[in-house]
Amino acid sequence: SAVISQKPSRDICQRGTSLTIQCQVDSQVTMMFWYRQQPGQSLTLIATANQGSEATYESGFVIDKFPISRPNLTFSTLTVSNMSPEDSSIYLCSVEDGGLAGGRGTQYFGPGTRLTVL
Amino acid sequence: AQTVTQSQPEMSVQEAETVTLSCTYDTSESDYYLFWYKQPPSRQMILVIRQEAYKQQNATENRFSVNFQKAAKSFSLKISDSQLGDAAMYFCAFYNNNDMRFGAGTRLTVKP
Repeated sequence: SAVISQKPSRDICQRGTSLTIQCQVDSQVTMMFWYRQQPGQSLTLIATANQGSEATYESGFVIDKFPISRPNLTFSTLTVSNMSPEDSSIYLCSVEDGGLAGGRGTQYFGPGTRLTVL
Repeated sequence: AQTVTQSQPEMSVQEAETVTLSCTYDTSESDYYLFWYKQPPSRQMILVIRQEAYKQQNATENRFSVNFQKAAKSFSLKISDSQLGDAAMYFCAFYNNNDMRFGAGTRLTVKP
């Protein structure tokens, strides 16, 4: 399976500021995803990030609030902009590539970034 | 839209015993994939098992197996010989056309 790292692993931020989360994969992958997991909740997809195209956002998530970059096949960033306490969550990136051992549809996840907004 | 339902918020099992976690889903698609993921307190999502909808044979991975009932849209996970390290949140997930949907999760406690 792919090895995925995220930076930072955790952060405490002030209201109104922005944080950029990095996701690095040890192999080239076509599809990368960003999820939010609010405390005690399940995962909610924020957006899909494919290299060379604009990210596709799910209902309830907008580019101005969660801008995403995907400059190459091994890296992506998610920025949480103008943060409020409601943005306190775990943010996870994942990758999917049918060429990996897991097969089509299988997603592998990074370790997550725990964000606390004061 | 696809939905995934896990009706057991919490489950408990004695070490070395067997436990079954339930999952149902709703879809009009015929080609899809189903997954169980484990999330321990470290919060890393770990793939447990994967099932392709077109395969009738139930997937198995060592102590983990599924009971896939396509007509009933049911996908339960059986953990045999439970170990303390199995304690975690377990999420059932449905995948179709680049879209992955997760259930609410079941918290599994393993008692020594």
